Amino acid sequence: DSGVTQTPKHLITATGQRVTLRCSPRSGDLSVYWYQQSLDQGLQFLIQYYNGEERAKGNILERFSAQQFPDLHSELNLSSLELGDSALYFCASTAGGLRGDTQYFGPGTRLTVL
Amino acid sequence: DQQVKQNSPSLSVQEGRISILNCDYTNSMFDYFLWYKKYPAEGPTFLISISSIKDKNEDGRFTVFLNKSAKHLSLHIVPSQPGDSAVYFCAASMNYGGSQGNLIFGKGTKLSVKP
Repeated sequence: DSGVTQTPKHLITATGQRVTLRCSPRSGDLSVYWYQQSLDQGLQFLIQYYNGEERAKGNILERFSAQQFPDLHSELNLSSLELGDSALYFCASTAGGLRGDTQYFGPGTRLTVL
Repeated sequence: DQQVKQNSPSLSVQEGRISILNCDYTNSMFDYFLWYKKYPAEGPTFLISISSIKDKNEDGRFTVFLNKSAKHLSLHIVPSQPGDSAVYFCAASMNYGGSQGNLIFGKGTKLSVKP
């Protein structure tokens, strides 16, 4: 158990819909990362937050957005969903958000868009 | 355009033997490399890392080798155990001034260790 929690575990929805994925970092960790793993793909970095502020952005679509709240949990919002958005979404947390900090991953949310 | 490549999707090894997982990268700006292990229905777990100033890092049964000139790294597991059966991801990062920790992952290699 990494100490990072993600809800829900599974999510099935239809094209065009909007969903919210939630991540609670390990106790004391200030930084949260979001990654997407599509079929047969490695994990693709989406976005990083540190203590409530966006720190780095990867290949995140404009239809996707994220935020980190004062209690440090983070939410990833996916809108106007397409079939290709079906994937595993992982969040990870680190203490300081610095390069070299070990990233602890949650168990992921499996999103299926029908 | 994949910057981190794991060209073997799967590897099967006998228990007690050596497992060698390979990873190639294309971006010469990468200077920190990691291996993560992932079991089904779980998130990736950090295994071992290496900085580009080193060519070898060892932790128990796990050793990572880095060949910068070839842009290649490998993970050796000796001896392999059935519990090592998992998907192994190679990951890399570059120095953005230290303030950004995002990782670039390969697609993973599924290791099966047979008793």
